[in-house]
Amino acid sequence: AQKVTQAQTEISVVEKEDVTLDCVYETRDTTYYLFWYKQPPSGELVFLIRRNSFDEQNEISGRYSWNFQKSTSSFNFTITASQVVDSAVYFCALSDADYNQGGKLIFGQGTELSVKP
Amino acid sequence: NAGVTQTPKFQVLKTGQSMTLQCAQDMNHEYMSWYRQDPGMGLRLIHYSVGAGITDQGEVPNGYNVSRSTTEDFPLRLLSAAPSQTSVYFCASSYRSTGGYTFGSGTRLTVV
Repeated sequence: AQKVTQAQTEISVVEKEDVTLDCVYETRDTTYYLFWYKQPPSGELVFLIRRNSFDEQNEISGRYSWNFQKSTSSFNFTITASQVVDSAVYFCALSDADYNQGGKLIFGQGTELSVKP
Repeated sequence: NAGVTQTPKFQVLKTGQSMTLQCAQDMNHEYMSWYRQDPGMGLRLIHYSVGAGITDQGEVPNGYNVSRSTTEDFPLRLLSAAPSQTSVYFCASSYRSTGGYTFGSGTRLTVV
């Protein structure tokens, strides 16, 4: 069965600190996709990144970076020089690549990040 | 504006009442799904659809029905509301099974 674990329920940092959000996943599929979503206090879900299982290159987008390691089944998310606007709940999610399965997203429990000024 | 539109944003129901949560997208996405979000549990899949006329159950389907008569619309019906269905409901759509899903703004449902 597929499963996503975000062991950190809450993280609190001071502005400008770097912070890493952990995500560990389980799947028997050889082809799968990993996602990160942000849910700010306003409640909407914002898509951040999608990564397929064949692409282990790390990705950087501004202050955001993602480290995908198949050997440890992890897809960690780092925010560099955090800002108050980064305060949100962050979800890691996993999807299989089977068309008939509709790309169902399996979500982790979420990590609530609080960035204090 | 293009996107996923959910209505209503807030709803209070009495136990036993029925209602339909509406979801519409104007991006011609094949894939649509409904999730519920509960504290400490992330989002869980209720039902999903891979195209008009095709639906299937997700992780927590009991108490909910769906239909997909058009590509644009994917309503979620609560047959007989129960307090356990108090949650925030999100509708999502994607142009392919592994694309980045676009989520609606959510419906906060309270069953008393």
